[in-house]
Amino acid sequence: KAGVTQTPRYLIKTRGQQVTLSCSPISGHRSVSWYQQTPGQGLQFLFEYFSETQRNKGNFPGRFSGRQFSNSRSEMNVSTLELGDSALYLCASSLDRVNYGYTFGSGTRLTVV
Amino acid sequence: QKEVEQNSGPLSVPEGAIASLNCTYSDRGSQSFFWYRQYSGKSPELIMSIYSNGDKEDGRFTAQLNKASQYVSLLIRDSQPSDSATYLCAVKAGGGADGLTFGKGTHLIIQP
Repeated sequence: KAGVTQTPRYLIKTRGQQVTLSCSPISGHRSVSWYQQTPGQGLQFLFEYFSETQRNKGNFPGRFSGRQFSNSRSEMNVSTLELGDSALYLCASSLDRVNYGYTFGSGTRLTVV
Repeated sequence: QKEVEQNSGPLSVPEGAIASLNCTYSDRGSQSFFWYRQYSGKSPELIMSIYSNGDKEDGRFTAQLNKASQYVSLLIRDSQPSDSATYLCAVKAGGGADGLTFGKGTHLIIQP
């Protein structure tokens, strides 16, 4: 059974640019969440999608957005990149939003220069 | 503000001994509790989930939950060097009302 797939694995972008990250959940998983991991702040929740609708949102600025498609695949977009956006971005999927654990992908390492 | 607290460690345990990892959380509405293991340079891996008070055992791992004390723990029996990693405690509010809130993790070192 394929796991959660994130692409690309690594990205280098310049301040002010925008970036789109992609996540394919485990087959049958309808909930997709995004997290940012940095050495200082640890893992922080960005947002969660279920059935193409954003269900929850963390405490991040509006530059961070996402969407989910009918096949449960999800994308995350960050506009007007700042140096502080450099982080590991992790996608996690689950069968539902309540009763099951979340399986993480390998992540996308974003470096903003 | 929801908080999950863990001792950052490092926690050093001899091979074969029991490793005990602890976590406290602030939100009394939390209903789902998870332990993740993260090796350096890798993504978190789910090792235990627990939803009701008491103990839950899975192989060498036992998760313990005490909602009254807002306390979750993870015991690793017969610790192996391959258990050396950072262990992350995560909690989720009831009804899926929020994402996972993670602690900063405990760095566990199993000494051969």
